[in-house]
Amino acid sequence: NAGVTQTPKFQVLKTGQSMTLQCAQDMNHEYMSWYRQDPGMGLRLIHYSVGAGITDQGEVPNGYNVSRSTTEDFPLRLLSAAPSQTSVYFCASRGYRSLNTEAFFGQGTRLTVV
Amino acid sequence: KNEVEQSPQNLTAQEGEFITINCSYSVGISALHWLQQHPGGGIVSLFMLSSGKKKHGRLIATINIQEKHSSLHITASHPRDSAVYICAVGDFGNEKLTFGTGTRLTIIP
Repeated sequence: NAGVTQTPKFQVLKTGQSMTLQCAQDMNHEYMSWYRQDPGMGLRLIHYSVGAGITDQGEVPNGYNVSRSTTEDFPLRLLSAAPSQTSVYFCASRGYRSLNTEAFFGQGTRLTVV
Repeated sequence: KNEVEQSPQNLTAQEGEFITINCSYSVGISALHWLQQHPGGGIVSLFMLSSGKKKHGRLIATINIQEKHSSLHITASHPRDSAVYICAVGDFGNEKLTFGTGTRLTIIP
């Protein structure tokens, strides 16, 4: 039972490079989301999805793209990395049909943009 | 937008002490989550509650819907409880969570 698997764990990018953070869950959860965690701030929602083929923007979506072609996978793409995107990124999933469901988080990706 | 405030921001205590971390929010919610994050580690869900009280081992979470307030208690605290504890609330009508900034707990042996 893997839960939420997030890769890579660490990444260093140069300004302007692109990359994809991978997130997969094996719990058949409808709701998946990406957050960034910065010092002194709560986790902030980047993008989320309530099911395959459906995505929407969160609080801080600029510079990021997502897609949800399957229930299991929800990759986050950085189009042209900037130093302001240096952060720790977390993917999370929850069941959606019932409002009160526990959230499961990946182990996080520590991204540094130089 | 729901605002979530946690207190204290930092807490240092001796092993064995009873710990209380507080969380207040500004508007009605569907559920409140308590999460734990160890240094350099991932985030783990401890509790999800919408009313009353829940207990897992030495951890107890309570919520007062009328006062828009929740507390996380740790009995007989241990150094392995040292972590950041995060409160998050889910608003009615959507699945989005709003997070507090966390309480950093350090338990000294």
